[in-house]
Amino acid sequence: DADVTQTPRNRITKTGKRIMLECSQTKGHDRMYWYRQDPGLGLRLIYYSFDVKDINKGEISDGYSVSRQAQAKFSLSLESAIPNQTALYFCATSEGFEQYFGPGTRLTVT
Amino acid sequence: EDQVTQSPEALRLQEGESSSLNCSYTVSGLRGLFWYRQDPGKGPEFLFTLYSAGEEKEKERLKATLTKKESFLHITAPKPEDSATYLCAVQGYNTDKLIFGTGTRLQVFP
Repeated sequence: DADVTQTPRNRITKTGKRIMLECSQTKGHDRMYWYRQDPGLGLRLIYYSFDVKDINKGEISDGYSVSRQAQAKFSLSLESAIPNQTALYFCATSEGFEQYFGPGTRLTVT
Repeated sequence: EDQVTQSPEALRLQEGESSSLNCSYTVSGLRGLFWYRQDPGKGPEFLFTLYSAGEEKEKERLKATLTKKESFLHITAPKPEDSATYLCAVQGYNTDKLIFGTGTRLQVFP
């Protein structure tokens, strides 16, 4: 089984809808991250969490919110999706400096 | 501002034709430089961490090197299965975040 799992893997939604992306990990890491990847822009950090009570904004947090339900679970929400949030979303975990990524969620907002 | 620039954007090699990928960086105190491999539609896969100038790491046909301004990923006698996008990222001492470059897309033809 994969160490970092993301659900759903693909999602198409309409403008204005609320959507949640979920991430679970079995690596036992305290640190978890959400990134988005766009062609030509690379990976950009949305939010990160160093433990259940610690949530921090990344460089592009506007329009997103997160919830750290447990050490192993970190969810990303789009309260009102807009087309420019169409992207590939990745969850990652770390214990030290190296980060380990999930398989990604491809989100399309029409 | 911490920054990472990767070159070239894309590289086509014949099987067995060795080459190097470049990652130039500016960071206020380097904590670590990271190389990842990303296959289409998948999450980045961790390859190496380099911490100080002069350090080298090897894995199969890949060797990563580090200077005070740049890192190289040398690919010796590549095979078609080495085709992927290679990402470079840095972390500075004054931040908890990774800054990613936009990657080099490598294609190796038989």
